[in-house]
Amino acid sequence: QVQLHQSGPGLVKPSQTLSLTCAISGDSVSSKSATWSWIRQSPSRGLEWLGRTYYNSKWHSDYAASVKSRITINPDTSKNQFSLQLNSATPEDTAVYYCAGGLFWFDPWGQGTLVTVSS
Amino acid sequence: DIQMTQSPSSVSASVGDRVSITCRASQGISTWLAWFQQKPGEAPKLLIYAASTLQSGVPSRFSGSGSGTDFTLTISSLQPGDLATYYCQQAYSFPRTFGQGTKVEIK
Repeated sequence: QVQLHQSGPGLVKPSQTLSLTCAISGDSVSSKSATWSWIRQSPSRGLEWLGRTYYNSKWHSDYAASVKSRITINPDTSKNQFSLQLNSATPEDTAVYYCAGGLFWFDPWGQGTLVTVSS
Repeated sequence: DIQMTQSPSSVSASVGDRVSITCRASQGISTWLAWFQQKPGEAPKLLIYAASTLQSGVPSRFSGSGSGTDFTLTISSLQPGDLATYYCQQAYSFPRTFGQGTKVEIK
C-alpha cells in the first residue's frame, strides 16, 4: 500500500520560496508505473494541479502554465521522496498543498499542508 | 485548458435517497474522468476512475457513467457517511483540471 507523507513550513513570507517535501512509502519515486504530482486547493482557485515528475528512461517534469516560471518539482532518489519549490511566493499562493501519486489517476494523496504566505 | 463544470453546486437529500451529480467537460475526453470524495479536513479520495470503474474498497452504492463530454456520479442510497464534497477531474490532457465541486448534505 503506497502512502505519502508531507512535510514543510506552514508560513512563508512574501517573495520567499515555498518548499514542501513528500516522502513515499510502499513504492519508489523512480517507479516506471507512477508519476508524482503536487496539487493545491484554495477557496478562490479550487483544486489546481501544479505539476509532476516521473521517471521513464530519464527524469521528466511537467508544470501548469500558471506557475511554470516559478515552480520546480524534483525527485530525491536517496530519500525516496519528491519536493515542491515555488519561488517568489505571494498571498495568492496561500492554499492547502497536497502531493499525490498514480500513473493516470491521483491516488494516493498526502495528508495536506496549509501554507500561508504572509509577513 | 479543459474546463470541468459540475452541477449542482450543492444538494441536500435524505438518507436512502438517490443522488446524482453531473460533470461536463469543455471538450471531449473519452472516458478519461475521475471522481473524488473529500470529507471536511481530509484529502480527496479517489472513488471512480475511467468514468465508471470503482476504486477498490469503495462501496457499490457509488457508480459512474458517461463518455465524451457528459458524466454522472450516482449514489444509489445516500448514507450519513457520504456527507462530503465531490469533484470530477479530467485525465485526458495537461494541465489536469478539476470541477468546482458539489457539496452533498444530509437532510
